[in-house]
Amino acid sequence: DQQVKQNSPSLSVQEGRISILNCDYTNSMFDYFLWYKKYPAEGPTFLISISSIKDKNEDGRFTVFLNKSAKHLSLHIVPSQPGDSAVYFCAATIWAQKLVFGQGTRLTINP
Amino acid sequence: NAGVTQTPKFQVLKTGQSMTLQCAQDMNHNSMYWYRQDPGMGLRLIYYSASEGTTDKGEVPNGYNVSRLNKREFSLRLESAAPSQTSVYFCASSAGVTGNTIYFGEGSWLTVV
Repeated sequence: DQQVKQNSPSLSVQEGRISILNCDYTNSMFDYFLWYKKYPAEGPTFLISISSIKDKNEDGRFTVFLNKSAKHLSLHIVPSQPGDSAVYFCAATIWAQKLVFGQGTRLTINP
Repeated sequence: NAGVTQTPKFQVLKTGQSMTLQCAQDMNHNSMYWYRQDPGMGLRLIYYSASEGTTDKGEVPNGYNVSRLNKREFSLRLESAAPSQTSVYFCASSAGVTGNTIYFGEGSWLTVV
């Protein structure tokens, strides 16, 4: 039972354009959502998060949008840079316990 | 800044052998976690410990045991390794409060032959 789903295994974007990564969830009890970035041979690192009481959070080039009625969140990266090439995981948690991850999306930024 | 440290980084085991993955954090975090990452499956929670002295099963606990030795350390044991346990294992920790991020170690690559 996959509670957090990233349906696109990969995404390729031109440098300087917008990257949009999507994530769907099924459990309406999730109260906090996070995006993690992972380079090969390294552990995931925190990127940005959003509380379920908000619908948008912005941090520099990264913006996360939350649509609770659709149980959908997205990560926007503008402008995309070559260093953004990595695997991105969305994750969700209830009361800060049992962080549940999606399958990941491999983002490739092309020069 | 050590953060979350896990050992060993690489290990090859024969089917049926046992081993323990060690994890320690120096951030005074209450909660610790063990995840495994497999291609196309994302990161799946094996066990977690919300506080010292407590442990709970995650999504894929079968074949594993854990010990929260103290607030700093959380070990994962494979009693009888199977090829299906070939994976990359990540230890993580967090303050355990909503809104706090979870910090990961660098991963342990385990191959069971």
